[in-house]
Amino acid sequence: DTAVSQTPKYLVTQMGNDKSIKCEQNLGHDTMYWYKQDSKKFLKIMFSYNNKELIINETVPNRFSPKSPDKAHLNLHINSLELGDSAVYFCASSQDPGTGFNEQFFGPGTRLTVL
Amino acid sequence: DAKTTQPTSMDCAEGRAANLPCNHSTISGNEYVYWYRQIHSQGPQYIIHGLKNNETNEMASLIITEDRKSSTLILPHATLRDTAVYYCIVRVADYGGSQGNLIFGKGTKLSVKP
Repeated sequence: DTAVSQTPKYLVTQMGNDKSIKCEQNLGHDTMYWYKQDSKKFLKIMFSYNNKELIINETVPNRFSPKSPDKAHLNLHINSLELGDSAVYFCASSQDPGTGFNEQFFGPGTRLTVL
Repeated sequence: DAKTTQPTSMDCAEGRAANLPCNHSTISGNEYVYWYRQIHSQGPQYIIHGLKNNETNEMASLIITEDRKSSTLILPHATLRDTAVYYCIVRVADYGGSQGNLIFGKGTKLSVKP
């Protein structure tokens, strides 16, 4: 009965590769997010997405792209991986933030290591 | 950037109340105060939120000053499992898009000791 799940939990890959991280939520939420937590533990929003709108943090390189096959899934694709992409990536979901109350439910995280 | 200021770290004895302060002197009238925590190696977890009034739920209490420029999260009886980083976040209400995003600062690392 996991609310927000991510796969894989760990991902080790070489520079230059393309990889994907999957996220699924079974809460019936309208909005999903991707966050990046770097080695200094700063947690930063990368994307927020619902069926109306994709909001991209302007600092995110265009090598990163979210793809949503349906409302319950928001996958993160990363092209041409770089050393600096090593981090823990968290997926989250919430009801439409336009309601005013935005409790976000986070997944367990995916630790990406680029060698 | 985060609009809040929190102490870097705090200690608390097990069974005692943990009081975590947060300054948000530039908070706007339409911004809520949210608290999340992140236990080691897990995703952040929502704790509580408030606008003007004090709030209480099964996890914690939130005390907001009358001028709304600061708040305190209270864990009434801290346990070892409450050891985590606690984030105080201000967020615009009633808006979607980027204005509604949660902006995490550095948080306060709370260590609950036996």
